[in-house]
Amino acid sequence: SAVISQKPSRDICQRGTSLTIQCQVDSQVTMMFWYRQQPGQSLTLIATANQGSEATYESGFVIDKFPISRPNLTFSTLTVSNMSPEDSSIYLCSVSRAVNTEAFFGQGTRLTVV
Amino acid sequence: GQNIDQPTEMTATEGAIVQINCTYQTSGFNGLFWYQQHAGEAPTFLSYNVLDGLEEKGRFSSFLSRSKGYSYLLLKELQMKDSASYLCAIEGPDSWGKLQFGAGTQVVVTP
Repeated sequence: SAVISQKPSRDICQRGTSLTIQCQVDSQVTMMFWYRQQPGQSLTLIATANQGSEATYESGFVIDKFPISRPNLTFSTLTVSNMSPEDSSIYLCSVSRAVNTEAFFGQGTRLTVV
Repeated sequence: GQNIDQPTEMTATEGAIVQINCTYQTSGFNGLFWYQQHAGEAPTFLSYNVLDGLEEKGRFSSFLSRSKGYSYLLLKELQMKDSASYLCAIEGPDSWGKLQFGAGTQVVVTP
């Protein structure tokens, strides 16, 4: 298993500002991911956080809008930049240790942009 | 792509059985996963299938047929606490842990 601490749990932000979300895992993991869950919808993968190199982004997501850091095997951050109300979502960190094993999720960060 | 389709909502009575179907179109994948998500909470893992057939875990079972592009999650002896969204997800062939999710099926359990 993996225990994931995600901070903040929720925030209300002004449009045009940026928010950095932290994800801390209790042990080293190879794979870390960031997902977005818009209101009433399922999870959409934003990017794979790669340790020591640039994140790999999915179609529709770009580094300028969602910069990601992964300085080591237990920690990652996702920044939501220049926010607009459309960015209001839950953002979730996920980790996986090996292929064909369960992925674990953090509790999520509920972001509201006003 | 990996279009993943699930029914939007299902309603069942406490103590009953409900089967949630998931169909997909993909050229290849490592495994198919089922997650439960209560409102306002993170998804929690229920079951996964790599090979065709049935995997049983207590009240929950999951089935996969790769040739038919089809999976289902079976929930037995439904309890009120089973009211939640159930997410079908595929792990792509190019990266473990990287999941593509269906839209989810909201299960409502009534007394």
